[in-house]
Amino acid sequence: SQQGEEDPQALSIQEGENATMNCSYKTSINNLQWYRQNSGRGLVHLILIRSNEREKHSGRLRVTLDTSKKSSSLLITASRAADTASYFCATDARSQGNLIFGKGTKLSVKP
Amino acid sequence: NAGVTQTPKFQVLKTGQSMTLQCAQDMNHNSMYWYRQDPGMGLRLIYYSASEGTTDKGEVPNGYNVSRLNKREFSLRLESAAPSQTSVYFCASSMGQGALGEAFFGQGTRLTVV
Repeated sequence: SQQGEEDPQALSIQEGENATMNCSYKTSINNLQWYRQNSGRGLVHLILIRSNEREKHSGRLRVTLDTSKKSSSLLITASRAADTASYFCATDARSQGNLIFGKGTKLSVKP
Repeated sequence: NAGVTQTPKFQVLKTGQSMTLQCAQDMNHNSMYWYRQDPGMGLRLIYYSASEGTTDKGEVPNGYNVSRLNKREFSLRLESAAPSQTSVYFCASSMGQGALGEAFFGQGTRLTVV
């Protein structure tokens, strides 16, 4: 079964609002990554957070990681219509050597 | 830099036909991956290669074979295509052994098996 599971499956907000997506995983990890996918395109890397980090920022993105709860959240602040996309978390489980993705959250930002 | 190049972009196969999806990266990455993406299922790992000369099964390997031809190239073969293999296939690569870095993706292959 998939290592990462995002929540919610779909999220619809107005431009200017904040969007929060959550990811839960099952085993110990080296790091956790978030990706974005526009419809019909390949995935684009957004941010990587290591297992010894608790929070990381990149522009309007804020990622938190709680290894005790095996969960992460991605916050997009002041969202824009151009943020409309699907967002995936990916985990790099220790001793596995691969990246496992969740099912994603489909974000719709309405102008 | 081209990044990750995947071919073909589109393919229609008849049930039972075979084909090979090609993937090449020019970033000197150790790790390469093949995923399939189906509606509502996210990306599922088919096979991966942590280094040249090694390949391992992922979550959904049945019906597929792979070859890590050299450090640059990682191909995915469908020996006898089935309608259940209709999907979008993505190749990706990343640096690192142990802790993996950012993965770079190809643009995908949209495969339909009729």
